[in-house]
Amino acid sequence: GAVVSQHPSWVICKSGTSVKIECRSLDFQATTMFWYRQFPKQSLMLMATSNEGSKATYEQGVEKDKFLINHASLTLSTLTVTSAHPEDSSFYICSAANYGQGYNYGYTFGSGTRLTVV
Amino acid sequence: DQQVKQNSPSLSVQEGRISILNCDYTNSMFDYFLWYKKYPAEGPTFLISISSIKDKNEDGRFTVFLNKSAKHLSLHIVPSQPGDSAVYFCAASDPGAGSYQLTFGKGTKLSVIP
Repeated sequence: GAVVSQHPSWVICKSGTSVKIECRSLDFQATTMFWYRQFPKQSLMLMATSNEGSKATYEQGVEKDKFLINHASLTLSTLTVTSAHPEDSSFYICSAANYGQGYNYGYTFGSGTRLTVV
Repeated sequence: DQQVKQNSPSLSVQEGRISILNCDYTNSMFDYFLWYKKYPAEGPTFLISISSIKDKNEDGRFTVFLNKSAKHLSLHIVPSQPGDSAVYFCAASDPGAGSYQLTFGKGTKLSVIP
């Protein structure tokens, strides 16, 4: 089945530094990737949608200059949290879509990244 | 405004009994619904889905029921097993919006007691 690799699985960084999270589709080409953020006991909140080769579309309230998304190839999307602050600490999850698979909309999630900013 | 609601944050069920997880939605444009299972510190994994043209979809121990008029769906797990203990998210999509984005509920934590 489709596999999405996300890393790192956890990262601790100092306030003010930047952190890059990678999301790779291993055995399929993902024309669209989604980035989510989850706070404890909360839902997965969509941050942005990225299509290969074009600029990401950010959800309302998500700062595009803070959360830089690059989707340069059909198998790789990156999320960079710039000048991270403690309030950016969260669980970030990517999802890659392969719309050829109709049974579940072709969504496959990565394993998530726990970011802690100290 | 939360368009997908899972009003029960947690549910405990005895092993072997039926687990029923509920989900309500407000957006009448949603026409595809999915259930995901999530363990702590892991990404969600797809469980089962249903299109709005159906009212039931079954896959092994898992059955999803959809009541469009009530804007309500439910996931039945029978018999429940300890390995089913996880957080279950209901998600909905409006393909008409063009981007196939999913809107998630807040999740229900299921605990299956041996």
